[in-house]
Amino acid sequence: AQSVTQLDSHVSVSEGTPVLLRCNYSSSYSPSLFWYVQHPNKGLQLLLKYTSAATLVKGINGFEAEFKKSETSFHLTKPSAHMSDAAEYFCVVSPNDYKLSFGAGTTVTVRA
Amino acid sequence: GAVVSQHPSWVICKSGTSVKIECRSLDFQATTMFWYRQFPKQSLMLMATSNEGSKATYEQGVEKDKFLINHASLTLSTLTVTSAHPEDSSFYICSANNPFLGTGSYTFGSGTRLTVV
Repeated sequence: AQSVTQLDSHVSVSEGTPVLLRCNYSSSYSPSLFWYVQHPNKGLQLLLKYTSAATLVKGINGFEAEFKKSETSFHLTKPSAHMSDAAEYFCVVSPNDYKLSFGAGTTVTVRA
Repeated sequence: GAVVSQHPSWVICKSGTSVKIECRSLDFQATTMFWYRQFPKQSLMLMATSNEGSKATYEQGVEKDKFLINHASLTLSTLTVTSAHPEDSSFYICSANNPFLGTGSYTFGSGTRLTVV
């Protein structure tokens, strides 16, 4: 079985400061891991994906995530937050590139 | 590439009526699509896997007679909420594998906000 735990339900940052969204996973297999972003009343957009290649994954809009097997973590970071980054972020695990299991989500607010 | 169009974006219906939600892959063929339900401030819960030309596979606890799924072509899957009740009010989202991003990468529709009154 696989599961995802997003350690923060809400993160608030000032514009221009770094963003860190924490995610831990459990999986019986070598999983694929994703981060998706959802703006209000919208669908989900893929930020980045890890599939057992490089452990540091670069995504869109300046986001990146580091896969750490020893810590079973896949934390998402961005060096400098922008107002447009305010949204809901989901960490997702897929053991077989088929079904997706979603974390509970982290709401990001960005202060001017 | 790989756009998934979902329609309608929002719908209000009366209790006891049925509502159909469409999910179309616009520039690719999707043999498999997924339907999710999202409650306010909560995560997405997989409801069912829609397979072109065959019966959908429902997750445990999802009533197949309540949520009818039809995947009649390689570009269209529909979800029909039958005899809707207020507790069916939710945000429904479909997704399909994005062939331009490789296996395991999914494109999501923009979602449908269903309100049953």
